[in-house]
Amino acid sequence: DTEVTQTPKHLVMGMTNKKSLKCEQHMGHRAMYWYKQKAKKPPELMFVYSYEKLSINESVPSRFSPECPNSSLLNLHLHALQPEDSALYLCASSQLARGDYGYTFGSGTRLTVV
Amino acid sequence: GQQVMQIPQYQHVQEGEDFTTYCNSSTTLSNIQWYKQRPGGHPVFLIQLVKSGEVKKQKRLTFQFGEAKKNSSLHITATQTTDVGTYFCAGLTGGGNKLTFGTGTQLKVEL
Repeated sequence: DTEVTQTPKHLVMGMTNKKSLKCEQHMGHRAMYWYKQKAKKPPELMFVYSYEKLSINESVPSRFSPECPNSSLLNLHLHALQPEDSALYLCASSQLARGDYGYTFGSGTRLTVV
Repeated sequence: GQQVMQIPQYQHVQEGEDFTTYCNSSTTLSNIQWYKQRPGGHPVFLIQLVKSGEVKKQKRLTFQFGEAKKNSSLHITATQTTDVGTYFCAGLTGGGNKLTFGTGTQLKVEL
């Protein structure tokens, strides 16, 4: 299995809703990442998990809450989002915490906040 | 913070023409990675360059890493319609677990 699976593929949520994005990989990768990508822009790093511990938080607002229940799963809990948070949310994993050998990205969750 | 710029922002070519995108970092990089993102898709890893002055080839794609490890280029020979997409360079810095993407070059190929 050489894939990163993200669910759901699309999500529409209101500003008062609570929702979660899920990411799963079975490649034995020990580093997992959340990126946010706006249209026609590069992916922007949000969080890095290394060996299931949060190692980088790129000053992301607390309305985004990551969780890594085990080495295969990564969640992103969403609460009280704003319309400007609408974007493609990409999960990625890599073999080593150093990111060598490249990142494998999931197909993303396209989030719309209304 | 680190900035990684790419030029050009857009490139429109006729099928069969060559294409080059250039990547410049404000800081020295541990390595540089290249990704391709098709319209509506997600980034797909193409290659990683680690050594100063390194050159790698993948069929019609040639990747170079600058001597100072602050710039890189991707050259595609004889473009095909399947090459359409946005090409991102990405630099790995610091402790090595922070990958920062360049601004990207969107390539369109016309028949």
